[in-house]
Amino acid sequence: SAVISQKPSRDICQRGTSLTIQCQVDSQVTMMFWYRQQPGQSLTLIATANQGSEATYESGFVIDKFPISRPNLTFSTLTVSNMSPEDSSIYLCSVQSGVGQPQHFGDGTRLSIL
Amino acid sequence: EDKVVQSPLSLVVHEGDTVTLNCSYEVTNFRSLLWYKQEKKAPTFLFMLTSSGIEKKSGRLSSILDKKELFSILNITATQTGDSAVYLCASNAGGTSYGKLTFGQGTILTVHP
Repeated sequence: SAVISQKPSRDICQRGTSLTIQCQVDSQVTMMFWYRQQPGQSLTLIATANQGSEATYESGFVIDKFPISRPNLTFSTLTVSNMSPEDSSIYLCSVQSGVGQPQHFGDGTRLSIL
Repeated sequence: EDKVVQSPLSLVVHEGDTVTLNCSYEVTNFRSLLWYKQEKKAPTFLFMLTSSGIEKKSGRLSSILDKKELFSILNITATQTGDSAVYLCASNAGGTSYGKLTFGQGTILTVHP
């Protein structure tokens, strides 16, 4: 399966600031996704990162709070904007290399907001 | 709204025991059911199931899907301490929700020596 590099692996941020998380894949993939895992919870899909067009957001997530870019088939970024303590979570990118293939996850970014 | 429910939520066993983890789903445009193992941050892919009644096997782990009753099970035989993890079940949808994974709450498995 594809090698997925996500960075930073962790960060501690101040309230009101923004952080951009990067996800790099070693091969071209059809689909890239961003998930959030709040403490003690399961994974929730934030959005599908579409190459060359605006991301598709799930209910409860908006572009102003979680802007996403996907300039090509191997790279995507997620920005967590105007952070508050409620944004403290693990953020994970996942990739699907083609139709009918499983999603594989990056190592995640553990984000703590003070 | 798509829904995935796992049981039990936690399980404590001793090495050598066999465990069965359960996953039921209610999904519009169901395509497949996936199992992942999460030890620290990244979920690691275990199985993807698309057809009923066909068991998938990898070493001591196996899984099967029942599309009529809308559930799947994950079996782990001869458990080892290294099997201690959170096991996540997820449904994969099609149509306008193509690619979207809906996760269950997870089962926390603890294997004691």
